[in-house]
Amino acid sequence: GESVGLHLPTLSVQEGDNSIINCAYSNSASDYFIWYKQESGKGPQFIIDIRSNMDKRQGQRVTVLLNKTVKHLSLQIAATQPGDSAVYFCAENAGWSGNTPLVFGKGTRLSVIA
Amino acid sequence: GAVVSQHPSWVICKSGTSVKIECRSLDFQATTMFWYRQFPKQSLMLMATSNEGSKATYEQGVEKDKFLINHASLTLSTLTVTSAHPEDSSFYICSASGTTDTQYFGPGTRLTVL
Repeated sequence: GESVGLHLPTLSVQEGDNSIINCAYSNSASDYFIWYKQESGKGPQFIIDIRSNMDKRQGQRVTVLLNKTVKHLSLQIAATQPGDSAVYFCAENAGWSGNTPLVFGKGTRLSVIA
Repeated sequence: GAVVSQHPSWVICKSGTSVKIECRSLDFQATTMFWYRQFPKQSLMLMATSNEGSKATYEQGVEKDKFLINHASLTLSTLTVTSAHPEDSSFYICSASGTTDTQYFGPGTRLTVL
């Protein structure tokens, strides 16, 4: 994989505010992107995904935006709650198949202030 | 749906012993499984890709003779850490994909080598 072992950046947000987590991806050929949430001591949990033929996709309280021009992905969480506190990873897949390994970003720690 | 389990959830072993970690897809057939390791406050690092019935593909720098991977069925893959040493202590996570592009992750296994 290409993930880099760096200390995680942290985003602190007041409860009830909206959160925006950003991710820059590296491979212009990537055509499938996923956001995962990882709580301490647990495996990553799927949040939302988006394909390269879209620039926006909405889920429950979450929205993913994709800007292929600048290779940028963002996750927006509406009305952030204490339970949203976790590390968030973006992942990209260049193979258009679940059989291709994902490349993970370095992650962002979201801390929600009650 | 799309549940992946791992066993054990944590293990402590003596240096020089071998440890086997199981990864199971509970409600779908996983043609491909992936093994990652994660150090504290870092992102996931892909170790190997495992396809059912064939040899695993290891990432550069991962010793295939030390990290033995077996994917004998569509619902089970195992990772055996042979002759474990303290530097092998880490959080090991598997993921599985079936007919869709999404990879689903197991809860992880915390390995501590004394």
